[in-house]
Amino acid sequence: EDQVTQSPEALRLQEGESSSLNCSYTVSGLRGLFWYRQDPGKGPEFLFTLYSAGEEKEKERLKATLTKKESFLHITAPKPEDSATYLCAVQAGGATNKLIFGTGTLLAVQP
Amino acid sequence: DTAVSQTPKYLVTQMGNDKSIKCEQNLGHDTMYWYKQDSKKFLKIMFSYNNKELIINETVPNRFSPKSPDKAHLNLHINSLELGDSAVYFCASSQDVWGKGEKLFFGSGTQLSVL
Repeated sequence: EDQVTQSPEALRLQEGESSSLNCSYTVSGLRGLFWYRQDPGKGPEFLFTLYSAGEEKEKERLKATLTKKESFLHITAPKPEDSATYLCAVQAGGATNKLIFGTGTLLAVQP
Repeated sequence: DTAVSQTPKYLVTQMGNDKSIKCEQNLGHDTMYWYKQDSKKFLKIMFSYNNKELIINETVPNRFSPKSPDKAHLNLHINSLELGDSAVYFCASSQDVWGKGEKLFFGSGTQLSVL
């Protein structure tokens, strides 16, 4: 069965303290791995798509990487405005664009 | 100019009632979705429509009925509401449903509370 597990569930960082979020997945035929950011009371907002092992993508203080079993979201020198829930999702093999989400990592960055 | 908008934002109702949530997207996308997010933040797909045609229909009670009058609108009607239906319901859209790596654009959610 296709599955996505994220860790840790919650992470508290000091401003400027770099860290990484993990997304482990089991999927038959990965078509894409996605990272979304969700702020309280809002819908998820797209950050990155990764397609194959070894691929990396960056956006400001965020960098996403992908291996055959997991993805990392590295946050370098975070700021309080980076506080949010970060969701990982996979698009499995099959005909449709059905995403399977993890339960997210709640990140709090304190000034 | 909101890309995916859904109404209402909050919905509080009694068990057994029937309610609807409306969704509209102005992105010109062909595909729309309903996702349910539980109290543990787990997002699970319920339905997907592509050009008004039902494409994805997950294991959802038949009390839930989606309706797509045109490709810019996807409404969700729920009959005989139960306590377990309490959750946040998100509408989303994408360019199409079969593309590899299609990113989703989400609405801001409808928080449904069944008392």
